Amino acid sequence: NAGVTQTPKFQVLKTGQSMTLQCAQDMNHNSMYWYRQDPGMGLRLIYYSASEGTTDKGEVPNGYNVSRLNKREFSLRLESAAPSQTSVYFCASSEGWGIQETQYFGPGTRLLVL
Amino acid sequence: DQQVKQNSPSLSVQEGRISILNCDYTNSMFDYFLWYKKYPAEGPTFLISISSIKDKNEDGRFTVFLNKSAKHLSLHIVPSQPGDSAVYFCAASGGTDKLIFGTGTRLQVFP
Repeated sequence: NAGVTQTPKFQVLKTGQSMTLQCAQDMNHNSMYWYRQDPGMGLRLIYYSASEGTTDKGEVPNGYNVSRLNKREFSLRLESAAPSQTSVYFCASSEGWGIQETQYFGPGTRLLVL
Repeated sequence: DQQVKQNSPSLSVQEGRISILNCDYTNSMFDYFLWYKKYPAEGPTFLISISSIKDKNEDGRFTVFLNKSAKHLSLHIVPSQPGDSAVYFCAASGGTDKLIFGTGTRLQVFP
């Protein structure tokens, strides 16, 4: 039982390049999330998927797109990377949608945009 | 505007003593609060939570206190152990069901 896995662990991009961050969970959870963590800012929600087939914007969605490929997988795409997107990205999942649902986090992807 | 604030970026405590981590919030709509713990190179893990209908919740060595009138919550760890050394995030939710995280406090427990 791996929980939430993320690939890659680390990536360096040049400004304007695109990439997709992958996330998968094996806990049969319905809801999945993407956060970014920046120094002095805490974790901020980028996008979420309350259930398979739905996606919604979070607090900081600009410059990102997401795909809920199936119940297990939720990917985050940067179409044209910018230095402001240098951050650590965390994927999370929860059994259901609601404030009392515990979120389980992956180990993170560290992204550097030059 | 930071709705959830952890004003102490770091805290150093001796093993065996009490660690107190503080968190303040500004949004009166928040009614559910959580603490997450994060080790380096790992994702945050859920530690303990409290609903606004309570003012205290305990789980082993961890106790969270909520003071709604002051919009303040705190996490007490007693006794502190070296394995507790990590970054602790408080988070709050209410109304929208989305979590708003604080900036984190790095706790170091030394022997």
